[in-house]
Amino acid sequence: EIVLTQSPGTLSLSPGERTTLSCRASQSVSSIYLAWYQQKPGQAPRLLIYGASNRATGIPDRFSGGGSGTDFTLTISRLEPEDSAVYYCHQYGRSGGTFGGGTKVEIK
Amino acid sequence: QVQLVQSGAEVKKPGASVKVSCRASGYTFTNYYIHWVRQAPGLGPEWVGIINPSVGGTSYAQKLQGRVTMTRDTSTTTAYMELSSLRSEDTAVYYCARGGAVGAAWGAGEHWGQGTLVTVSS
Repeated sequence: EIVLTQSPGTLSLSPGERTTLSCRASQSVSSIYLAWYQQKPGQAPRLLIYGASNRATGIPDRFSGGGSGTDFTLTISRLEPEDSAVYYCHQYGRSGGTFGGGTKVEIK
Repeated sequence: QVQLVQSGAEVKKPGASVKVSCRASGYTFTNYYIHWVRQAPGLGPEWVGIINPSVGGTSYAQKLQGRVTMTRDTSTTTAYMELSSLRSEDTAVYYCARGGAVGAAWGAGEHWGQGTLVTVSS
Protein backbone atom coordinates (compact mmCIF):
# COMPACT_ATOMS: atom_id res chain seq x y z
CA GLU A 1 0.00 0.00 0.00
CA ILE A 2 1.29 3.45 -0.91
CA VAL A 3 1.45 5.71 2.15
CA LEU A 4 0.96 9.45 1.60
CA THR A 5 2.46 11.81 4.18
CA GLN A 6 1.27 15.41 4.18
CA SER A 7 3.01 18.39 5.73
CA PRO A 8 2.66 20.61 7.57
CA GLY A 9 -0.18 19.41 9.76
CA THR A 10 -1.63 22.87 10.31
CA LEU A 11 -1.10 26.30 8.80
CA SER A 12 -2.35 29.64 10.08
CA LEU A 13 -2.16 32.33 7.41
CA SER A 14 -3.57 35.72 6.51
CA PRO A 15 -5.78 36.55 3.54
CA GLY A 16 -3.76 37.36 0.45
CA GLU A 17 -0.81 35.14 1.42
CA ARG A 18 0.53 32.32 -0.68
CA THR A 19 1.10 28.80 0.65
CA THR A 20 2.37 25.44 -0.59
CA LEU A 21 1.20 22.13 0.87
CA SER A 22 3.30 19.00 0.53
CA CYS A 23 2.35 15.37 -0.13
CA ARG A 24 5.10 12.75 -0.10
CA ALA A 25 4.50 9.17 -1.27
CA SER A 26 6.23 6.07 0.11
CA GLN A 27 6.83 4.92 -3.47
CA SER A 28 6.59 6.52 -6.86
CA VAL A 29 3.10 7.52 -8.02
CA SER A 30 2.26 8.23 -11.63
CA SER A 31 1.21 11.85 -11.91
CA ILE A 32 -2.03 10.86 -13.62
CA TYR A 33 -3.11 9.14 -10.39
CA LEU A 34 -2.68 12.03 -7.90
CA ALA A 35 -5.48 14.33 -6.74
CA TRP A 36 -6.07 17.04 -4.15
CA TYR A 37 -9.30 17.66 -2.28
CA GLN A 38 -10.62 20.41 -0.03
CA GLN A 39 -12.94 19.47 2.82
CA LYS A 40 -14.95 21.71 5.10
CA PRO A 41 -16.75 20.53 8.26
CA GLY A 42 -19.85 18.47 7.57
CA GLN A 43 -19.22 18.35 3.82
CA ALA A 44 -17.95 15.75 1.39
CA PRO A 45 -14.49 16.33 -0.05
CA ARG A 46 -14.38 18.64 -3.06
CA LEU A 47 -12.05 17.80 -5.92
CA LEU A 48 -9.56 20.58 -6.63
CA ILE A 49 -6.82 18.97 -8.70
CA TYR A 50 -6.56 15.69 -10.63
CA GLY A 51 -3.68 14.22 -12.57
CA ALA A 52 -1.35 16.16 -10.25
CA SER A 53 -1.81 19.49 -12.05
CA ASN A 54 -5.23 19.71 -13.71
CA ARG A 55 -7.83 21.92 -12.08
CA ALA A 56 -11.28 20.37 -11.71
CA THR A 57 -14.33 22.10 -13.12
CA GLY A 58 -15.04 25.45 -11.50
CA ILE A 59 -11.87 25.59 -9.40
CA PRO A 60 -10.29 29.06 -9.36
CA ASP A 61 -6.84 29.43 -10.90
CA ARG A 62 -5.30 30.43 -7.57
CA PHE A 63 -5.21 26.69 -6.85
CA SER A 64 -2.41 24.87 -8.66
CA GLY A 65 -0.84 21.44 -8.35
CA GLY A 66 2.57 20.14 -9.27
CA GLY A 67 5.20 17.54 -8.63
CA SER A 68 6.05 14.05 -9.77
CA GLY A 69 7.37 10.72 -8.54
CA THR A 70 7.14 10.81 -4.75
CA ASP A 71 6.77 14.55 -4.13
CA PHE A 72 3.67 16.55 -4.96
CA THR A 73 2.48 20.02 -4.01
CA LEU A 74 -0.68 22.08 -3.85
CA THR A 75 -0.17 25.83 -4.02
CA ILE A 76 -2.82 28.34 -3.05
CA SER A 77 -1.93 31.85 -4.11
CA ARG A 78 -3.80 34.83 -2.68
CA LEU A 79 -5.58 33.02 0.17
CA GLU A 80 -9.20 33.98 0.75
CA PRO A 81 -11.28 33.45 3.92
CA GLU A 82 -13.28 30.66 2.26
CA ASP A 83 -10.08 28.64 1.77
CA SER A 84 -10.16 27.71 5.44
CA ALA A 85 -10.45 23.90 5.27
CA VAL A 86 -8.55 20.63 5.44
CA TYR A 87 -6.72 19.61 2.27
CA TYR A 88 -6.05 15.98 1.37
CA CYS A 89 -3.96 14.37 -1.32
CA HIS A 90 -5.19 11.09 -2.80
CA GLN A 91 -3.54 8.56 -5.07
CA TYR A 92 -5.75 6.25 -7.09
CA GLY A 93 -3.36 3.91 -8.85
CA ARG A 94 -4.33 0.36 -9.76
CA SER A 95 -2.64 -1.08 -6.67
CA GLY A 96 -5.36 0.55 -4.55
CA GLY A 97 -6.19 4.06 -3.45
CA THR A 98 -4.93 5.87 -0.37
CA PHE A 99 -5.33 9.32 1.18
CA GLY A 100 -2.88 11.51 3.02
CA GLY A 101 -3.53 12.57 6.61
CA GLY A 102 -4.44 16.12 5.62
CA THR A 103 -3.22 19.68 6.15
CA LYS A 104 -5.50 22.05 8.01
CA VAL A 105 -5.39 25.62 6.70
CA GLU A 106 -6.69 28.31 9.01
CA ILE A 107 -7.23 31.86 7.79
CA LYS A 108 -6.60 34.51 10.44
CA GLN B 1 -26.55 17.34 -13.66
CA VAL B 2 -24.62 14.48 -12.07
CA GLN B 3 -26.19 13.35 -8.79
CA LEU B 4 -25.32 10.56 -6.39
CA VAL B 5 -27.95 9.96 -3.72
CA GLN B 6 -27.13 7.61 -0.87
CA SER B 7 -29.31 5.67 1.53
CA GLY B 8 -29.98 6.85 5.06
CA ALA B 9 -28.09 6.47 8.30
CA GLU B 10 -27.72 3.02 9.85
CA VAL B 11 -27.10 1.78 13.39
CA LYS B 12 -25.77 -1.75 13.63
CA LYS B 13 -24.53 -4.07 16.35
CA PRO B 14 -21.01 -5.51 16.28
CA GLY B 15 -20.86 -8.57 14.06
CA ALA B 16 -23.76 -7.48 11.86
CA SER B 17 -23.61 -6.38 8.21
CA VAL B 18 -24.62 -3.13 6.54
CA LYS B 19 -25.45 -2.40 2.91
CA VAL B 20 -25.26 1.19 1.67
CA SER B 21 -26.73 2.23 -1.68
CA CYS B 22 -25.72 5.00 -4.08
CA ARG B 23 -28.21 5.90 -6.82
CA ALA B 24 -26.68 7.71 -9.78
CA SER B 25 -28.38 10.05 -12.22
CA GLY B 26 -27.50 12.67 -14.80
CA TYR B 27 -24.98 10.56 -16.73
CA THR B 28 -24.54 7.08 -18.24
CA PHE B 29 -24.07 4.92 -15.14
CA THR B 30 -22.02 2.20 -16.85
CA ASN B 31 -19.49 4.65 -18.28
CA TYR B 32 -17.80 5.74 -15.04
CA TYR B 33 -16.17 4.02 -12.08
CA ILE B 34 -17.64 4.44 -8.61
CA HIS B 35 -15.30 4.84 -5.63
CA TRP B 36 -16.34 4.16 -2.05
CA VAL B 37 -14.59 6.19 0.65
CA ARG B 38 -15.20 6.28 4.39
CA GLN B 39 -14.35 8.82 7.05
CA ALA B 40 -14.34 8.02 10.74
CA PRO B 41 -15.21 10.84 13.16
CA GLY B 42 -12.40 13.38 13.32
CA LEU B 43 -10.18 11.48 10.90
CA GLY B 44 -9.24 11.79 7.23
CA PRO B 45 -10.83 9.90 4.36
CA GLU B 46 -10.01 6.23 3.81
CA TRP B 47 -10.39 4.56 0.41
CA VAL B 48 -12.64 1.50 0.66
CA GLY B 49 -12.70 0.29 -2.92
CA ILE B 50 -13.96 0.78 -6.45
CA ILE B 51 -16.42 -0.82 -8.85
CA ASN B 52 -16.65 -0.80 -12.62
CA PRO B 53 -20.43 -0.52 -13.15
CA SER B 54 -20.14 -1.79 -16.72
CA VAL B 55 -18.88 -5.28 -15.90
CA GLY B 56 -19.05 -5.32 -12.10
CA GLY B 57 -15.30 -5.69 -11.60
CA THR B 58 -14.06 -4.53 -8.20
CA SER B 59 -10.92 -3.69 -6.27
CA TYR B 60 -10.89 -3.37 -2.48
CA ALA B 61 -8.63 -1.85 0.14
CA GLN B 62 -6.35 -4.55 1.47
CA LYS B 63 -7.42 -4.08 5.10
CA LEU B 64 -11.09 -4.66 4.21
CA GLN B 65 -10.59 -7.65 1.88
CA GLY B 66 -12.93 -10.44 2.89
CA ARG B 67 -15.41 -8.13 4.63
CA VAL B 68 -16.42 -5.71 1.86
CA THR B 69 -18.45 -6.47 -1.23
CA MET B 70 -19.36 -3.96 -3.93
CA THR B 71 -22.12 -4.65 -6.43
CA ARG B 72 -24.29 -2.70 -8.84
CA ASP B 73 -27.71 -2.84 -10.44
CA THR B 74 -27.58 -1.30 -13.89
CA SER B 75 -31.40 -1.35 -14.23
CA THR B 76 -31.71 1.11 -11.35
CA THR B 77 -28.30 2.79 -11.82
CA THR B 78 -27.45 1.99 -8.21
CA ALA B 79 -24.16 0.93 -6.67
CA TYR B 80 -23.98 -0.91 -3.36
CA MET B 81 -21.32 -1.34 -0.70
CA GLU B 82 -21.81 -4.09 1.87
CA LEU B 83 -19.57 -4.44 4.90
CA SER B 84 -19.82 -7.51 7.13
CA SER B 85 -18.57 -8.53 10.58
CA LEU B 86 -18.91 -4.93 11.69
CA ARG B 87 -16.80 -3.64 14.55
CA SER B 88 -16.75 -0.30 16.36
CA GLU B 89 -13.83 0.89 14.20
CA ASP B 90 -16.14 0.73 11.17
CA THR B 91 -18.19 3.63 12.53
CA ALA B 92 -17.84 6.29 9.85
CA VAL B 93 -19.53 8.31 7.14
CA TYR B 94 -19.44 6.26 3.95
CA TYR B 95 -19.35 8.14 0.64
CA CYS B 96 -19.69 7.08 -2.96
CA ALA B 97 -17.95 9.20 -5.59
CA ARG B 98 -17.92 9.05 -9.37
CA GLY B 99 -14.46 8.34 -10.74
CA GLY B 100 -13.05 8.40 -14.23
CA ALA B 101 -14.30 6.89 -17.45
CA VAL B 102 -14.36 3.11 -17.59
CA GLY B 103 -11.46 1.77 -19.62
CA ALA B 104 -9.14 4.56 -18.57
CA ALA B 105 -7.54 5.27 -15.19
CA TRP B 106 -9.84 4.96 -12.18
CA GLY B 107 -9.90 8.74 -11.93
CA ALA B 108 -10.44 11.07 -9.00
CA GLY B 109 -13.85 11.67 -7.41
CA GLU B 110 -15.37 14.80 -8.92
CA HIS B 111 -18.95 14.10 -7.87
CA TRP B 112 -19.81 12.78 -4.40
CA GLY B 113 -22.86 11.45 -2.64
CA GLN B 114 -24.09 13.15 0.52
CA GLY B 115 -22.62 10.44 2.74
CA THR B 116 -24.21 7.74 4.91
CA LEU B 117 -23.40 7.56 8.62
CA VAL B 118 -22.93 4.00 9.79
CA THR B 119 -22.73 3.63 13.55
CA VAL B 120 -21.61 0.34 15.07
CA SER B 121 -22.55 0.08 18.70
CA SER B 122 -23.75 -2.54 21.12
